[in-house]
Amino acid sequence: GQNIDQPTEMTATEGAIVQINCTYQTSGFNGLFWYQQHAGEAPTFLSYNVLDGLEEKGRFSSFLSRSKGYSYLLLKELQMKDSASYLCAVRDSNYQLIWGAGTKLIIKP
Amino acid sequence: IAGITQAPTSQILAAGRRMTLRCTQDMRHNAMYWYRQDLGLGLRLIHYSNTAGTTGKGEVPDGYSVSRANTDDFPLTLASAVPSQTSVYFCASSDLAGATDTQYFGPGTRLTVL
Repeated sequence: GQNIDQPTEMTATEGAIVQINCTYQTSGFNGLFWYQQHAGEAPTFLSYNVLDGLEEKGRFSSFLSRSKGYSYLLLKELQMKDSASYLCAVRDSNYQLIWGAGTKLIIKP
Repeated sequence: IAGITQAPTSQILAAGRRMTLRCTQDMRHNAMYWYRQDLGLGLRLIHYSNTAGTTGKGEVPDGYSVSRANTDDFPLTLASAVPSQTSVYFCASSDLAGATDTQYFGPGTRLTVL
């Protein structure tokens, strides 16, 4: 079966750095996405990785290792508005997105 | 530019009733999707459409039907609602010809079936 694993919940302090991990086992790989979802709202696109390595976009970076089936999302200089759920999704061989259950990130002052 | 709109925002429905959730996009994306999101689970694909006139089944299609008469609209119909269909429903769209084929989501419909 196909599986995406992420921690259920993480807590971090305002101004700090947090890394959210995602491991996957899918039938095929055609890219990995990270989305942010605030409570009661729609998921919004954050980043896309298809090749190994680090993609940086402002305070957010995403890393991929295809050989290890592993990705992480790195958030720097945390702000209270970063309190949200972060969803990892992998596009499989059928070109469909397989979604993790999401990691709820709590930011404390 | 609205992106993707969904209606209604929320709905309480009696079991056995028929319900259509509406989704409209103005980005001229060729692909559209319907997901449901339940607590503790990842988004699950119900149905999708890669282009107007075609549809396909996702992971959890039973009890749902869709149509894609044109590029912009992708309604989801529950023929006879059951309590297990209580969920938040998200419509999404993407440009299959784009470099990343990123999916963009509507605001969601919160459906409660009693």
